[in-house]
Amino acid sequence: KAGVTQTPRYLIKTRGQQVTLSCSPISGHRSVSWYQQTPGQGLQFLFEYFSETQRNKGNFPGRFSGRQFSNSRSEMNVSTLELGDSALYLCASSLDSQGMNTEAFFGQGTRLTVV
Amino acid sequence: AQSVTQLDSQVPVFEEAPVELRCNYSSSVSVYLFWYVQYPNQGLQLLLKYLSGSTLVKGINGFEAEFNKSQTSFHLRKPSVHISDTAEYFCAVSESRYSGGSNYKLTFGKGTLLTVNP
Repeated sequence: KAGVTQTPRYLIKTRGQQVTLSCSPISGHRSVSWYQQTPGQGLQFLFEYFSETQRNKGNFPGRFSGRQFSNSRSEMNVSTLELGDSALYLCASSLDSQGMNTEAFFGQGTRLTVV
Repeated sequence: AQSVTQLDSQVPVFEEAPVELRCNYSSSVSVYLFWYVQYPNQGLQLLLKYLSGSTLVKGINGFEAEFNKSQTSFHLRKPSVHISDTAEYFCAVSESRYSGGSNYKLTFGKGTLLTVNP
């Protein structure tokens, strides 16, 4: 079965612009999480969605937002881009079975460069 | 809240040598533990996970890890590495469902770059 698909793979944006990244989870998976990976801070949790609702949120400013659609696909948006937002953004999907998540499957990520 | 410490940022080894990548965690509640591998320009792939039961966990590609609750450690081992094992390895924790917290958020260590030399 198809894995987690993230689009686009690479993106270059200018400071002050906004960007939208997309994630299609594995079929049947209802939980989608987003992570930011940078050389300095490592992997940091952004937020998690389930059934179109944000269940968990990390410590990121309000410029970072997301949403989930009824087909479980998710998007994350970053407004007013800063140079420090340059990172690899990873999406992970999980099978939420009886409220239990035991494994997250990651996509290949979107590499965002802010210039 | 949890935290994860990967004690070595880089580990160089020769091909066919054994390797151990160290991971310690801190948590006030029971946790699930994971090791992920990341190849250049790729996402993360799960190597193995500890949820409960036997403290020795076997994963893919010949890797195994041992959960030690008293030492709050979850070290990753492989008896004989290959050139193709060169990658970055991440240890991660999440709260277990029995802790009453969220088991959807992974907290990662900073990663260990394993370089296998011929």
